[in-house]
Amino acid sequence: GAGVSQSPSNKVTEKGKDVELRCDPISGHTALYWYRQSLGQGLEFLIYFQGNSAPDKSGLPSDRFSAERTGGSVSTLTIQRTQQEDSAVYLCASSLSSTYSNQPQHFGDGTRLSIL
Amino acid sequence: SQKIEQNSEALNIQEGKTATLTCNYTNYSPAYLQWYRQDPGRGPVFLLLIRENEKEKRKERLKVTFDTTLKQSLFHITASQPADSATYLCAPNSGGYQKVTFGTGTKLQVIP
Repeated sequence: GAGVSQSPSNKVTEKGKDVELRCDPISGHTALYWYRQSLGQGLEFLIYFQGNSAPDKSGLPSDRFSAERTGGSVSTLTIQRTQQEDSAVYLCASSLSSTYSNQPQHFGDGTRLSIL
Repeated sequence: SQKIEQNSEALNIQEGKTATLTCNYTNYSPAYLQWYRQDPGRGPVFLLLIRENEKEKRKERLKVTFDTTLKQSLFHITASQPADSATYLCAPNSGGYQKVTFGTGTKLQVIP
């Protein structure tokens, strides 16, 4: 079956512009995560959606970052007024979710964002 | 604050040998720990999960241990092959049952 799909795979934009990154999770996965990975760095947690619950936004670095998940499926990460330090690979992951067990995360291949 | 440490330096080993990667964590007690593999330009791929009440977990040539006293997990690849060359990330859960925090990873290079 299809895995997690992210688009675009690459995005180059000028400083100050807004960008939208899209994630299509695996069908039936109720949990969805966004991470940021800078060159040579680990994955930095940004935001977590779980079903219809309020998202965990504790990792968003500033109010320029926001994310939505419509209909419990597709998610969009928006970065407003981009800065050069926003340049990174943005990764999306989804997982099954259960209150009583923990599930592996399935990742897309990311969007490589470059701010000029 | 919570901290996860993996060998930042690359690990080079000869084909056929056993590779051992270390993950140390401080200032918290995860209920489980996951290991992922990441190839250049790709997203991480899940390999193994081990729970706090499990000392060891195996899958084919892979073995993971979890020592909650030492606050350490070891990841072993036996009979290593050049195709095992990748960056390996450990991810203990944090801040809730479904959230994990990823280490920076260890780059493994298996030399033919």
